[in-house]
Amino acid sequence: AQSVTQPDIHITVSEGASLELRCNYSYGATPYLFWYVQSPGQGLQLLLKYFSGDTLVQGIKGFEAEFKRSQSSFNLRKPSVHWSDAAEYFCAVGAENRDDKIIFGKGTRLHILP
Amino acid sequence: DAMVIQNPRYQVTQFGKPVTLSCSQTLNHNVMYWYQQKSSQAPKLLFHYYDKDFNNEADTPDNFQSRRPNTSFCFLDIRSPGLGDAAMYLCATSRPKDIQYFGAGTRLSVL
Repeated sequence: AQSVTQPDIHITVSEGASLELRCNYSYGATPYLFWYVQSPGQGLQLLLKYFSGDTLVQGIKGFEAEFKRSQSSFNLRKPSVHWSDAAEYFCAVGAENRDDKIIFGKGTRLHILP
Repeated sequence: DAMVIQNPRYQVTQFGKPVTLSCSQTLNHNVMYWYQQKSSQAPKLLFHYYDKDFNNEADTPDNFQSRRPNTSFCFLDIRSPGLGDAAMYLCATSRPKDIQYFGAGTRLSVL
């Protein structure tokens, strides 16, 4: 069965430090991959997506993610975090031969130290 | 400008009193979704529409119903809310097999 795993429930980094949030997926078909961010009490905002092509994708707010098929991973990175990046981050996967649904990971909450 | 609009942002209802949440979109997307999200959890898909075709998740309680009278609007009806239905309800829209755009959500409290 398809699944998305975000192994880190909470991550704390200092402002200005680099960030990597992990995401692994299990899927039989060619995946579509997404990272969404959610601030408290708000909806989800798309950070970036991978459908095909270049495996390193750039997103909004200085985020990037790299699709590694051999590792079934789609990790999110940012070279220098800002206090405003504190939020919940969700990795999600859909697939070409599925219907329109996507599956979310359980999320990683990012805390920023001043 | 908001493209997926949910009203109200906060809704308080009483145990067992029917409640309706609304979602509208200006994107003209075929697909509309309703998710339930409880605290510190991932969004859980309740159902979605592809145009007027309704797709219910197998584990969505019968207490939850939905209507989509036209492309722009979709409603979530909770017939008899229980305490366990208190959650954030998120609406999203997409083109087929494409990015989902989310509204800001409706926070439902059940007293």
